[in-house]
Amino acid sequence: GAGVSQSPSNKVTEKGKDVELRCDPISGHTALYWYRQSLGQGLEFLIYFQGNSAPDKSGLPSDRFSAERTGGSVSTLTIQRTQQEDSAVYLCASSLAGTGGTDTQYFGPGTRLTVL
Amino acid sequence: RKEVEQDPGPFNVPEGATVAFNCTYSNSASQSFFWYRQDCRKEPKLLMSVYSSGNEDGRFTAQLNRASQYISLLIRDSKLSDSATYLCVVNGGGGGNKLTFGTGTQLKVEL
Repeated sequence: GAGVSQSPSNKVTEKGKDVELRCDPISGHTALYWYRQSLGQGLEFLIYFQGNSAPDKSGLPSDRFSAERTGGSVSTLTIQRTQQEDSAVYLCASSLAGTGGTDTQYFGPGTRLTVL
Repeated sequence: RKEVEQDPGPFNVPEGATVAFNCTYSNSASQSFFWYRQDCRKEPKLLMSVYSSGNEDGRFTAQLNRASQYISLLIRDSKLSDSATYLCVVNGGGGGNKLTFGTGTQLKVEL
């Protein structure tokens, strides 16, 4: 079946512009996660959606970052007034139930964001 | 101290060699442990979960030592296709499903 998809695959923007990154999780997966990976760094948790519960936003680095998940499916990560340090690969993952900590997370191919 | 620490490598080994990676984690409340594999410019993919009793999947063996907060991955008879970065991943504990990733250990298997 179809895996997690993300768009765009690459995004180049100018400092100060807003960007929107999209994630389509695997159908039927109730949990959705956003991470980012900077060059030479590990994956950094950003935000986690589980069903209709309030999202865990504890990883968002600043109030310029926000995310929505509409209809329990597609998610959009928005970065306002982008800065050069926002340049990274933004990875989305989904899992079936998101409970108990043992769910396998399946990752999308990521969006490579470059802020000039 | 980082929550999950790994030796970044690279580990350069000949084909057929046995190689072991180690990882330590700082949160004693962590409940779940995984090894993910990430190929260059690709997304991470689950390699295997790590259980307290240790588990084996073909040429790969993972072990967990909760007392020492230490996880290991052993690869036997390494293949060229094993070349990748291996990420040690820990569920943060306290409920939820937030994963904490190590920065990864790079493996290069050579002829």
